[in-house]
Amino acid sequence: DAKTTQPNSMESNEEEPVHLPCNHSTISGTDYIHWYRQLPSQGPEYVIHGLTSNVNNRMASLAIAEDRKSSTLILHRATLRDAAVYYCILRALYNTDKLIFGTGTRLQVFP
Amino acid sequence: DTGVSQDPRHKITKRGQNVTFRCDPISEHNRLYWYRQTLGQGPEFLTYFQNEAQLEKSRLLSDRFSAERPKGSFSTLEIQRTEQGDSAMYLCASSLDGRAGAHEQYFGPGTRLTVT
Repeated sequence: DAKTTQPNSMESNEEEPVHLPCNHSTISGTDYIHWYRQLPSQGPEYVIHGLTSNVNNRMASLAIAEDRKSSTLILHRATLRDAAVYYCILRALYNTDKLIFGTGTRLQVFP
Repeated sequence: DTGVSQDPRHKITKRGQNVTFRCDPISEHNRLYWYRQTLGQGPEFLTYFQNEAQLEKSRLLSDRFSAERPKGSFSTLEIQRTEQGDSAMYLCASSLDGRAGAHEQYFGPGTRLTVT
């Protein structure tokens, strides 16, 4: 399975935009880019996913580089409730169904 | 609440005892997954089911671990002869069938196991 690289931690102030980067230089053509987050003492929560085009949903936006070797999760206005560990995960379309989590990026949000 | 539920939420047991956890997936989801998470690490895949068939097991799943999903609905994860190294959060997730990469997984709140 292709691997991802994320910074260990990032900080933001409340109501500011947050850009969480992810590198995945060995991504294959059929790998989807998924983002999950895990709030303290909770199970992971799906955030967004995409294949080639940028994606938006009510939680966040996903910007995918043209060569697909990197992506950025964008939280448009961080809130205290967005403080969590964010995981960037590649999922093969037709291969194994499991999620392979790394250590993710711990996002701290300050009031 | 129609999300994934897990029972119990917390379990404290003595080394050598057997424990069983239950997961109830979202009702229309026919895929069910078990993961384990230790402190400071991301979740690690253990096994997954499509309906009642167990399709993949991780090497992490030693002979002391067994999972079932007898009627394709709820699932149980049993750990026999627990060891202190089994102390972790056990997470269950479910998803729809179909193209794996395109479907999100929905996680339950987890069962925290402490082996003393």
